[in-house]
Amino acid sequence: GAVVSQHPSWVICKSGTSVKIECRSLDFQATTMFWYRQFPKQSLMLMATSNEGSKATYEQGVEKDKFLINHASLTLSTLTVTSAHPEDSSFYICSAGTSGGVWETQYFGPGTRLLVL
Amino acid sequence: AQSVTQLGSHVSVSEGALVLLRCNYSSSVPPYLFWYVQYPNQGLQLLLKYTSAATLVKGINGFEAEFKKSETSFHLTKPSAHMSDAAEYFCAVSATDKLIFGTGTRLQVFP
Repeated sequence: GAVVSQHPSWVICKSGTSVKIECRSLDFQATTMFWYRQFPKQSLMLMATSNEGSKATYEQGVEKDKFLINHASLTLSTLTVTSAHPEDSSFYICSAGTSGGVWETQYFGPGTRLLVL
Repeated sequence: AQSVTQLGSHVSVSEGALVLLRCNYSSSVPPYLFWYVQYPNQGLQLLLKYTSAATLVKGINGFEAEFKKSETSFHLTKPSAHMSDAAEYFCAVSATDKLIFGTGTRLQVFP
């Protein structure tokens, strides 16, 4: 149980295009979903937290107009990288939780590797 | 502010040897601490978590970690390494509503 999927697992796009990444909780309802970015040999950095039906909360330094997050249902959140540029190339990981409590377990997706040419 | 430091980006052990992965944290309030494992091409999986109950926490796959407030540490150990333990391990701290991750330690296990 507690499986989180991400689609696509790999995406290559041209500079200036937009890319949408989906994060789904397959066997549970996710009240809260988190989006992380991981650069090579670096730690996971939280980008934003989203709660179903409300606007995402972005971390300092993350452009909300560039990284659009939609949490339309309790099983789906999407991250859209708008007008992607090479510096946006990274590994994007989502996670999902059921209550948002700091002590609860977050279930992570397998990640999406984005390469912007 | 919270932070974690993982000492050693790479750790190599022989199969059957003790595994010790180090994690030190910084937190102005009592923290919740986590260890996650990431196998190649997979998502992060929770190994164990400390939530202010017992200081010695037992997790999956024979791993355990001990919370030591005086040393601000939460080191991960396993008495006997197995080849299948080879992976990336992340320590994380949470004292508010988000996780702060360390930079990770890659564990290699040699036969």
